[in-house]
Amino acid sequence: AQKITQTQPGMFVQEKEAVTLDCTYDTSDQSYGLFWYKQPSSGEMIFLIYQGSYDEQNATEGRYSLNFQKARKSANLVISASQLGDSAMYFCAMREGSQGGYQKVTFGIGTKLQVIP
Amino acid sequence: EPEVTQTPSHQVTQMGQEVILRCVPISNHLYFYWYRQILGQKVEFLVSFYNNEISEKSEIFDDQFSVERPDGSNFTLKIRSTKLEDSAMYFCASSELNRGYGYTFGSGTRLTVV
Repeated sequence: AQKITQTQPGMFVQEKEAVTLDCTYDTSDQSYGLFWYKQPSSGEMIFLIYQGSYDEQNATEGRYSLNFQKARKSANLVISASQLGDSAMYFCAMREGSQGGYQKVTFGIGTKLQVIP
Repeated sequence: EPEVTQTPSHQVTQMGQEVILRCVPISNHLYFYWYRQILGQKVEFLVSFYNNEISEKSEIFDDQFSVERPDGSNFTLKIRSTKLEDSAMYFCASSELNRGYGYTFGSGTRLTVV
């Protein structure tokens, strides 16, 4: 079973509009964390936002917010006021702890976002 | 803002050659990782490293791969005899113990095997 599911291979949004990128996850751990990364065409992985499983409030970072619904195991990324520079691939990812202390991160397949002027 | 540094940003190598990808993790981090992303595919875990030994490795991380922390700052991934299918983006990451906010990726090394 997929641990991270991103069901939108591609999305379009008008500049200055808001967009929601979907992500659902599967884990039996009580302690875990969810990330969103942006990957522009240049290839680097840019951290956007993080939500811990015990965080009671939804994470926000500037124009990015994470809509965390724990019971539904979803962690959607909301980008407000889209800009042309937001056009990129977006990955949802999850860290799960281990008794050894290290944390492996599992990535989804990504959503390609294109912002239209 | 502390960052994970990877060098080189792009490396081209001939099939069968050995390559070493270098990473400088964040200085107070204890756990180090390598991930791989074949073009157009998702990012895949390769290996985690703690206290000078491998904590976990994926099935991708076969005998052709090795990792090392040769000094107090560098963390390297060696591919012994490169194959065409090793062409990918390789990301290094480091983390503190159980802190998601501290989990940081480098900007990647694009390896092209010709």
